Amino acid sequence: QVQLVQSGAEVKKPGASVKVSCRTSGYSFTDHTLYWVRQAPGQRPEWMGWIGTGDGNTKYSQSLQGRVTFTRDTSASTVYMELSSLQSEDTATYYCAREFRSGWFFPDYWGQGTLVTVSS
Amino acid sequence: DIVMTQSPDSLPVSLGERATINCKSSQSIFHTSNNENSLAWFQHKPGQAPKLLISWASTREPGVPDRFSGSGSGTDFTLTISSLQPEDVAVYYCQQYYDIPPTFGQGTRLDIK
Repeated sequence: QVQLVQSGAEVKKPGASVKVSCRTSGYSFTDHTLYWVRQAPGQRPEWMGWIGTGDGNTKYSQSLQGRVTFTRDTSASTVYMELSSLQSEDTATYYCAREFRSGWFFPDYWGQGTLVTVSS
Repeated sequence: DIVMTQSPDSLPVSLGERATINCKSSQSIFHTSNNENSLAWFQHKPGQAPKLLISWASTREPGVPDRFSGSGSGTDFTLTISSLQPEDVAVYYCQQYYDIPPTFGQGTRLDIK
């Protein structure tokens, strides 16, 4: 069955960077784009962008452009999200999610989430 | 960006009763190219991964109980649970995928009255 398993919770100081992994299984890795979505406490989910798992092409939300980087390791069926210059506003649960079908901009499977806490 | 607004924020419903969650988009999300509305509904239980329930406003995912149904068109949409079960307690989100960036509603917390 399709699974997306994310790395564990992180606590970071302001100004630091964090890298979250998302290991996929149960399907052909390069057949589906992977999204990243975050949800701050009490807030609605926020789309961060995506990475094309076949070609590595990325698209980032305007609000995070310049601070976020998505990468992939096709041999490990894993994608990574790195967010730099962390501030308290970046405290959130970060999710990876698989695009349902190419060009259909919604996910069908999600990871369990990774809580990132930014605190001095 | 398209703004998605759900109502109510919180919804207590008795077991076996109907639950209705509304979602309104700030502009039409109806595609004339395929005559479909670009709206999905997700269920999110604490500590679990969100689950896709419905896409294209009314297409239920395989394995989703038929007590869940989606309706609406243009800017106004509804998720209905015909007979609430204990396992339906969750937060429900709508998401539009008509335009980039995809955007979510603020969520509706559904619990037992």
